[in-house]
Amino acid sequence: KQEVTQIPAALSVPEGENLVLNCSFTDSAIYNLQWFRQDPGKGLTSLLLIQSSQREQTSGRLNASLDKSSGRSTLYIAASQPGDSATYLCALKGNQFYFGTGTSLTVIP
Amino acid sequence: NAGVTQTPKFQVLKTGQSMTLQCAQDMNHEYMSWYRQDPGMGLRLIHYSVGAGITDQGEVPNGYNVSRSTTEDFPLRLLSAAPSQTSVYFCASSHGGQGNQPQHFGDGTRLSIL
Repeated sequence: KQEVTQIPAALSVPEGENLVLNCSFTDSAIYNLQWFRQDPGKGLTSLLLIQSSQREQTSGRLNASLDKSSGRSTLYIAASQPGDSATYLCALKGNQFYFGTGTSLTVIP
Repeated sequence: NAGVTQTPKFQVLKTGQSMTLQCAQDMNHEYMSWYRQDPGMGLRLIHYSVGAGITDQGEVPNGYNVSRSTTEDFPLRLLSAAPSQTSVYFCASSHGGQGNQPQHFGDGTRLSIL
């Protein structure tokens, strides 16, 4: 069974700082990896989708990387803003979808 | 654009009661799925469907039934509610089932079983 881990569980940074969120997984036989954002009381919003054949994807201030051989993905957020405060989850598509437990990010003005 | 719509948003049930959580999408997505989200455990897949008339079990299917009579709708039925089913339930949809396209999520149904 695929195990997906996100460390740290919570992170607090001052506005303007660059930061990295981590996602690790145990089974490298995946089709793709997706990063989501979840705001309190809301559903998940897709941020970036990386196919298994890709190494990274970029959207604005966000950059996600994928290293299947080491079972790791990172989400890089540049020049963080208070509006980036949310929980960030990674999800992998193998035979099913598997989600990490998320990293709760707080950006302090 | 409605996207994925879940109803109700909140529900309180007594142990043993049954109910149906509704999910509808207007994007003509083939793949639909139900997850539950519990503190410290992330989202876990309950059931999924790759198209009308086709459903399959996910990681935690016990106590739940689904059907997919149309492309748009994917209701989740709790047969006999138990306190362990207290959770936030999310419905999601996407084109295809291989995850090559982003999943779209509803806003969730918050369910409490007393």
